[in-house]
Amino acid sequence: DAGVIQSPRHEVTEMGQEVTLRCKPISGHDYLFWYRQTMMRGLELLIYFNNNVPIDDSGMPEDRFSAKMPNASFSTLKIQPSEPRDSAVYFCASRGRKETQYFGPGTRLLVL
Amino acid sequence: DQQVKQNSPSLSVQEGRISILNCDYTNSMFDYFLWYKKYPAEGPTFLISISSIKDKNEDGRFTVFLNKSAKHLSLHIVPSQPGDSAVYFCAASRSIQGAQKLVFGQGTRLTINP
Repeated sequence: DAGVIQSPRHEVTEMGQEVTLRCKPISGHDYLFWYRQTMMRGLELLIYFNNNVPIDDSGMPEDRFSAKMPNASFSTLKIQPSEPRDSAVYFCASRGRKETQYFGPGTRLLVL
Repeated sequence: DQQVKQNSPSLSVQEGRISILNCDYTNSMFDYFLWYKKYPAEGPTFLISISSIKDKNEDGRFTVFLNKSAKHLSLHIVPSQPGDSAVYFCAASRSIQGAQKLVFGQGTRLTINP
């Protein structure tokens, strides 16, 4: 298996632009998680899905952030409009039942 | 409110010696604990875990100890190898079943010196 796939690996954008991060979980996994890593806050959970349904979005910082999972093999995290303080590394992770979480390589986002 | 704390941002150990990484938690509802290892430009990778019904779990060179009364866990690596140089994250969750909603510590950067 290829593991969790994230794209793009790096994104540089200007403040106010829309940013879309993409994730393909491991096949057969029914949980998908989005995390953000910053120097100040460390690695924090933003939202997670179970069987494509958003279950807990309490970690989403603001309404500018939204996430979708239209099918079992694809999820997006969107920031609109983006701000410099959104600069961080965003990780996607997935897990199956009775397993631990497998993380993707992350997307490094820089908002200028 | 930081529920999972790793108070040592960095640790340097000589190759062949034991590395001990520490983690404290405040939420007594946590019942499942994990250690992840992270190399630069990669995502965290799972290393070892322990359930609150145990106080020790061993996997090769890696052993995790859990002291529930002190709300403390530690990761022992012996013998330490250069490839162990990475950032180590402690994580905790309230249930091994279900979502496994993880709360992470800030990480400890381990450097193994030849």
